[in-house]
Amino acid sequence: DAGITQSPRHKVTETGTPVTLRCHQTENHRYMYWYRQDPGHGLRLIHYSYGVKDTDKGEVSDGYSVSRSKTEDFLLTLESATSSQTSVYFCAISEDRKSSYNEQFFGPGTRLTVL
Amino acid sequence: QKEVEQDPGPLSVPEGAIVSLNCTYSNSAFQYFMWYRQYSRKGPELLMYTYSSGNKEDGRFTAQVDKSSKYISLFIRDSQPSDSATYLCALINTGGFKTIFGAGTRLFVKA
Repeated sequence: DAGITQSPRHKVTETGTPVTLRCHQTENHRYMYWYRQDPGHGLRLIHYSYGVKDTDKGEVSDGYSVSRSKTEDFLLTLESATSSQTSVYFCAISEDRKSSYNEQFFGPGTRLTVL
Repeated sequence: QKEVEQDPGPLSVPEGAIVSLNCTYSNSAFQYFMWYRQYSRKGPELLMYTYSSGNKEDGRFTAQVDKSSKYISLFIRDSQPSDSATYLCALINTGGFKTIFGAGTRLFVKA
């Protein structure tokens, strides 16, 4: 298995509180991604990073921010959690393959419940 | 219109059946077509990928791409209970790093 860990694995929090999820990789891959997975919507990209301090928005970025200060760590922050952000969050990594397909390796996921 | 459409199921079949999973897409620029398998409470894992049109076979699994119809399929022969999972189609442009995922189809194979 690719070396990707996510912490925490489960979290219950209250509306309005800040939450930070951490993704850590040991593969030295360039790209890192945060997705959320909800029934009927599949995997939706929240933010991604293409290098240290280089990040960009995905399709569902409102209410989320990210930071990448080291190659191995990618943090996702919910500044003020809302019930609509209850979801399963997956981190993924991929190599820089300009001439080939881009396989993504996923972490085990974080189940977040916002009450 | 979503870039990729996939029937979420669930699809329930008896052991030994042939399973057909499908996706349609709208952007003709996609060149790589992948299938990820996701077991319950786990992250997705790449099962197969195909470049451009045609078929690719790996054991009991066959991936098929018809670019003229913008239609991709995954066939599972002699399905087993261990094949019970969610199958997500995924598409990407050549050299790109962002992957577009389908919603996933939940498959149950009954012993």
